[in-house]
Amino acid sequence: KNEVEQSPQNLTAQEGEFITINCSYSVGISALHWLQQHPGGGIVSLFMLSSGKKKHGRLIATINIQEKHSSLHITASHPRDSAVYICAVEGAGGADGLTFGKGTHLIIQP
Amino acid sequence: NAGVTQTPKFQVLKTGQSMTLQCAQDMNHNSMYWYRQDPGMGLRLIYYSASEGTTDKGEVPNGYNVSRLNKREFSLRLESAAPSQTSVYFCASRFGLAGVVETQYFGPGTRLLVL
Repeated sequence: KNEVEQSPQNLTAQEGEFITINCSYSVGISALHWLQQHPGGGIVSLFMLSSGKKKHGRLIATINIQEKHSSLHITASHPRDSAVYICAVEGAGGADGLTFGKGTHLIIQP
Repeated sequence: NAGVTQTPKFQVLKTGQSMTLQCAQDMNHNSMYWYRQDPGMGLRLIYYSASEGTTDKGEVPNGYNVSRLNKREFSLRLESAAPSQTSVYFCASRFGLAGVVETQYFGPGTRLLVL
């Protein structure tokens, strides 16, 4: 069973700061997902990564397959970025579901 | 396109009662999933259906049954609810193409309280 660890668990920052959330996993994977969940809200997929780096607006996700580690960065953070960010990994089976980290609760203060 | 829909949004049950959580998707996806989300535990897989006609246990299947009614619908049944099943339940789906990394699309969730 893959163990997925996220850090930090909670993060409070000021508007405009550069944010980094980390994710590590224990067993080789086919892909890693970053998800966003707003309070009381649904879950939205931000990125899927098999290798390298992806960028979408102010969000950047990187993965190092050899080190079994991924990071999610938010540049020029804004209060609307306040949410829970969840890392999830997909095994070689693919169709047999995701294994999730416990999430990082991010608060951006104005 | 409604995406993934779940009913009900919120339910209160008494211990021992039964209920079925409904999930439907209109994206012609093959694979569907039920997860539960608990504080401090993250999301965990209950059951999944890789394709129509198949279902498999996930990490925490005890106390639950599922039915893949057709390609669109995947229901989760609690036969005799217990307080430990108080949780938020999410249904998700994906195309399910072999060997392809795909986005999972999540429903809005069902909040279940078992007294």
